[in-house]
Amino acid sequence: GAGVSQSPSNKVTEKGKDVELRCDPISGHTALYWYRQRLGQGLEFLIYFQGNSAPDKSGLPSDRFSAERTGESVSTLTIQRTQQEDSAVYLCASSLYRISNQPQHFGDGTRLSIL
Amino acid sequence: ELKVEQNPLFLSMQEGKNYTIYCNYSTTSDRLYWYRQDPGKSLESLFVLLSNGAVKQEGRLMASLDTKARLSTLHITAAVHDLSATYFCAVDIGGSARQLTFGSGTQLTVLP
Repeated sequence: GAGVSQSPSNKVTEKGKDVELRCDPISGHTALYWYRQRLGQGLEFLIYFQGNSAPDKSGLPSDRFSAERTGESVSTLTIQRTQQEDSAVYLCASSLYRISNQPQHFGDGTRLSIL
Repeated sequence: ELKVEQNPLFLSMQEGKNYTIYCNYSTTSDRLYWYRQDPGKSLESLFVLLSNGAVKQEGRLMASLDTKARLSTLHITAAVHDLSATYFCAVDIGGSARQLTFGSGTQLTVLP
């Protein structure tokens, strides 16, 4: 399909390991967002990419979290030295920039479990 | 810091009844979004509200926005079981970041 694609869909890892999550946005969408959703809660903004501009990293909870995006394509979110509190669903969304009548389109998320 | 509050957080209602979910936010904005999330699934866009007085309707759901009151409502008419889900409102305060600030969600259960 033409939606936002995330992988893996589920990831279980041991505390202290590094993980890498991937997001393929909708083709043509210049804006890409990462959010975190803890169980039973709303979404927490992590980071935003817009084209080749410097990303907005204001939502990253610690320096263990980082993300990259090449141009307007794939993004990866990396969590180093994972902790149990990192367990959550990580959602990626994309949208057309500067077209405010369009919603953000979300992927199905990566469910991360830290043992 | 923008705060977005939804109420109620949990709502059980019988089929055929009407109810309203409220979304209050603390900072000026004229862009508000409603999303639906089914268990274990991602978020599905329901409504995009872009101005004061905006009203959108789809089936048994109707959303409105009052930017002066910093309030949006999601009204459910004659609820059916298929509407059971968690509903989120999200506010865009604009600027360069364009990230959304989400409410905590309203978990709706429609009982037969």
